[in-house]
Amino acid sequence: SQQGEEDPQALSIQEGENATMNCSYKTSINNLQWYRQNSGRGLVHLILIRSNEREKHSGRLRVTLDTSKKSSSLLITASRAADTASYFCATGRTGGGADGLTFGKGTHLIIQP
Amino acid sequence: ETGVTQTPRHLVMGMTNKKSLKCEQHLGHNAMYWYKQSAKKPLELMFVYSLEERVENNSVPSRFSPECPNSSHLFLHLHTLQPEDSALYLCASSQVGGRGETQYFGPGTRLLVL
Repeated sequence: SQQGEEDPQALSIQEGENATMNCSYKTSINNLQWYRQNSGRGLVHLILIRSNEREKHSGRLRVTLDTSKKSSSLLITASRAADTASYFCATGRTGGGADGLTFGKGTHLIIQP
Repeated sequence: ETGVTQTPRHLVMGMTNKKSLKCEQHLGHNAMYWYKQSAKKPLELMFVYSLEERVENNSVPSRFSPECPNSSHLFLHLHTLQPEDSALYLCASSQVGGRGETQYFGPGTRLLVL
């Protein structure tokens, strides 16, 4: 069964606005990660949050994790045209081991100039 | 550039062909992964190698055969594929141990099976 599901599937906003994407998962996790993918290319790691953390920041990115609700959100503040991409959440079962990630279908974000 | 390269970037093959995808990581990592990304489906984990040993095979058909000759290289050998195997194949690497859960992805090989 699919582990991560992002919501919404597509999001279009004006440049400068904030973008919020959500992710839900089903099983217990060690960590949750967000990745970005531009036009069917490779994925770029954005941020990782561990199961014992509730919030994490990195530049214009803010991630929250609610393990009781099995959900996470990614906030991109002051969006730019270059943020146009697909964003995926991925869950890891173990910490530090060789752990295949389980991905959601992604949110396609379009930033209108 | 993430430090993970994949060749070829694009591949068209017939169902009777045999081809191989190559992945190389320049990050000193000791775990490598193959993922498949099909249209309108989530990325699917195919194989996991840790310290050059296969530690996970995610119910992948035998027409896909991975090989990890050393910690820097990973291959995916393809034979008698089906049109539904057309997809973007992504390789990733990570460092086992410590807090190395972050995976670094290559640009992918776009495969079309005719």
